[in-house]
Amino acid sequence: QKEVEQNSGPLSVPEGAIASLNCTYSDRVSQSFFWYRQYSGKSPELIMSIYSNGDKEDGRFTAQLNKASQYVSLLIRDSQPSDSATYLCAVRAGTALIFGKGTTLSVSS
Amino acid sequence: GAVVSQHPSWVICKSGTSVKIECRSLDFQATTMFWYRQFPKQSLMLMATSNEGSKATYEQGVEKDKFLINHASLTLSTLTVTSAHPEDSSFYICSAGRTGGFLNTEAFFGQGTRLTVV
Repeated sequence: QKEVEQNSGPLSVPEGAIASLNCTYSDRVSQSFFWYRQYSGKSPELIMSIYSNGDKEDGRFTAQLNKASQYVSLLIRDSQPSDSATYLCAVRAGTALIFGKGTTLSVSS
Repeated sequence: GAVVSQHPSWVICKSGTSVKIECRSLDFQATTMFWYRQFPKQSLMLMATSNEGSKATYEQGVEKDKFLINHASLTLSTLTVTSAHPEDSSFYICSAGRTGGFLNTEAFFGQGTRLTVV
């Protein structure tokens, strides 16, 4: 069974710090990886997608992928209180996405 | 990005009744839609994959006779929770994939439906 693992947290960081979120996956042939942000009671919104090994940067967000280690991470620079949410790692399996349980991030001002 | 609209946003129903949830892709055609369920403080669990013009594919442990899925057009999929019970109370979320191209690799989510069965 394909699995996506995340540390549930909560991860607490002060405003302005770097938040580091990690995810591992079990399906070695996976090719597409996504980070979603979900606020309480809302549906997920896509933050980043990454398909190749290495880093991908978009504003304050950087996704990192290491397929050999089956590991994907998300870095949030200059964290803001508005970044406080649950971050879901997702891995494409066929046509659907398999989600991790999410990491709750709390940014304190 | 692509827009997926889900309706209703929330619904309260009596135990034993049925509830229909609609998921529409507003600016693209979706041959495939996905239905997820999320319990409090849990992740999204894929319930079924809805394919336009054919039967849905259900994940293991999901009762197809209880969760009826219809994908009659390229822009609309419906999930009907039949004979709902309090344990069916959850947050139901649909997502859609555009056919072909880069956007086919991403999932666009509806706003979700909060179902409460009393």
